[in-house]
Amino acid sequence: QSVLTQPPSASGTPGQRVTISCSGSSSNIGSNYVYWYQQLPGTAPKLLMYRNNQRPSGVPDRFSGSKSGTSASLAISGLRSEDEADYYCAAWDDSLSGWVFGGGTKLTVL
Amino acid sequence: EVQLVESGGGLVKPGGSLRLSCAASGFTFSSYSMNWVRQAPGKGLEWVSSISSSSDYIYYADSVKGRFTISRDNAKNSLYLQMNSLRVEDTAVYYCARGSGYGGYDYVDYWGQGTLVTVSS
Repeated sequence: QSVLTQPPSASGTPGQRVTISCSGSSSNIGSNYVYWYQQLPGTAPKLLMYRNNQRPSGVPDRFSGSKSGTSASLAISGLRSEDEADYYCAAWDDSLSGWVFGGGTKLTVL
Repeated sequence: EVQLVESGGGLVKPGGSLRLSCAASGFTFSSYSMNWVRQAPGKGLEWVSSISSSSDYIYYADSVKGRFTISRDNAKNSLYLQMNSLRVEDTAVYYCARGSGYGGYDYVDYWGQGTLVTVSS
């Protein structure tokens, strides 16, 4: 059981906009930044979004992040086949003194 | 280019020990915190441990506390994870991951390719 809650799956057709939610608590998302990682099939995770809504260099602006209270979301617009991957949210948890991850959302591009 | 190369994984019996290593290159290793994150087969990511740039701050997940020890050698640009009293549930790919800063809980910005640890009798 993950500390952060994500839907196990999401899907969309090419060109569509998809959002993935991440729910936490006051000790993690409620008081710290949220980060998102993309894991393409068979590869290591890659940083996709940092400090709620900042994109690392090289990440397309089709990806955007937001946070409100104890929840966060990742939006992907103009969906492309290469976006098919697992997406994980993460945050530092003050009560646990450690990083917590969501269970991951498998995005399928139909 | 940041490179993180893990080694030391393999098959070990329950109750056994294993030491993972991570060789870092492409950045000033001594200026960054480091982490171990694992992923059980077909499962999600689980943070294991973090260590600050000068080893002043160390954190462990409750699931490994008392059994795993993280350490680093800045002169050798290397990160380690000593794993004792291994359990079947420790079976996972273990990723070496760089923290974004020098403190103990900086977010991970780069990942290695991982090394598989299998605990089975």
